[in-house]
Amino acid sequence: EAGVVQSPRYKIIEKKQPVAFWCNPISGHNTLYWYRQNLGQGPELLIRYENEEAVDDSQLPKDRFSAERLKGVDSTLKIQPAELGDSAVYLCASSLDGRTEFFGPGTRLTVL
Amino acid sequence: DQQVKQNSPSLSVQEGRISILNCDYTNSMFDYFLWYKKYPAEGPTFLISISSIKDKNEDGRFTVFLNKSAKHLSLHIVPSQPGDSAVYFCAARFGGTYKYIFGTGTRLKVLA
Repeated sequence: EAGVVQSPRYKIIEKKQPVAFWCNPISGHNTLYWYRQNLGQGPELLIRYENEEAVDDSQLPKDRFSAERLKGVDSTLKIQPAELGDSAVYLCASSLDGRTEFFGPGTRLTVL
Repeated sequence: DQQVKQNSPSLSVQEGRISILNCDYTNSMFDYFLWYKKYPAEGPTFLISISSIKDKNEDGRFTVFLNKSAKHLSLHIVPSQPGDSAVYFCAARFGGTYKYIFGTGTRLKVLA
């Protein structure tokens, strides 16, 4: 069974540029999460989807971040414009039962 | 306010000995706890979990203990192996939700 797929793995951009990350969860997993992990910290939830509905986006900085999960399968997280403080690893995870999350490898974003 | 704390950023253990990783939490609404292992450039991988109605769960070399009165859980690895060298995160779930809070991680180094 394929795991959670994320792309790109690495992205370097200049500040004020837009950037997008893509995630394909494990087949059949209705719950999808986007996390941000800063250096030396644990993952912090940005947004959680149940199918195509965003059910928890309280931690998403909505002035510059947006996300979508069309058709309740894959998802895109966008930052526009990026700031220096957005440099982090962006992790996508999915879950079938809400008990165990399966993480993708992450996208390491560097904003110069 | 950090609701899930891993106060030891790093730990070194000799191969074959026991590794004990600790995690403290503050919110009594957490009902499910997990441990994840993370290698460099990879996403966190689920290791073991425990429900708040139990005080111990064992899976091979890995055992998680939960002390609800102390709001403390620990992960025991016996015997430790060099391949166990990684960053370990504990995570706690708010009861009745799919929302997890992660600790800041402990880097375990198992010395051969």
